[in-house]
Amino acid sequence: KNEVEQSPQNLTAQEGEFITINCSYSVGISALHWLQQHPGGGIVSLFMLSSGKKKHGRLIATINIQEKHSSLHITASHPRDSAVYICAVRNTGNQFYFGTGTSLTVIP
Amino acid sequence: DAGVTQSPTHLIKTRGQQVTLRCSPKSGHDTVSWYQQALGQGPQFIFQYYEEEERQRGNFPDRFSGHQFPNYSSELNVNALLLGDSALYLCASSSQGGLAINEQFFGPGTRLTVL
Repeated sequence: KNEVEQSPQNLTAQEGEFITINCSYSVGISALHWLQQHPGGGIVSLFMLSSGKKKHGRLIATINIQEKHSSLHITASHPRDSAVYICAVRNTGNQFYFGTGTSLTVIP
Repeated sequence: DAGVTQSPTHLIKTRGQQVTLRCSPKSGHDTVSWYQQALGQGPQFIFQYYEEEERQRGNFPDRFSGHQFPNYSSELNVNALLLGDSALYLCASSSQGGLAINEQFFGPGTRLTVL
């Protein structure tokens, strides 16, 4: 069983839709990260969370430490949001665990 | 200001061969981390180099080794290649041994195919 599980694996949405990607983890963590990976491999860090909620533009990330769960929300989705979104956690021993990613396609 | 660069972009090798991948960190960064990302999977941490030494290592066999040069660039070497080594190899740079993912700048990766 993976230490980090994401759902869904694949997601197709119409432009303008509200999108939610979920991440559950089984280890004790010091931080959780949401990453965006575009075709070709480049990875960009979107959020680092250790509690609560963060917002950046149309992106919102939340984390519930007790439930070991995090969500990434995209409001008013746009085709340029199409990418793979990866949840990653760092445990208290500084080991990283990555989810398998959610492939998002936003159709105009 | 160049970001993280990796070479080559793509590489095809056969089982049993050895391969060397290269990474130049972002200007001002002195730390390089390497990740393996198999198709459809998330990245897995291989190791990190800082001050020309391996500082942290993930769960990879000794066939995976690395090196960091005085100019902070780094190489990843894989010996006795297996089919399962086929993956995208990502390099990320940061400063002063920074481990947090949000402190790391990722390169575009090298796609290795082992036949």
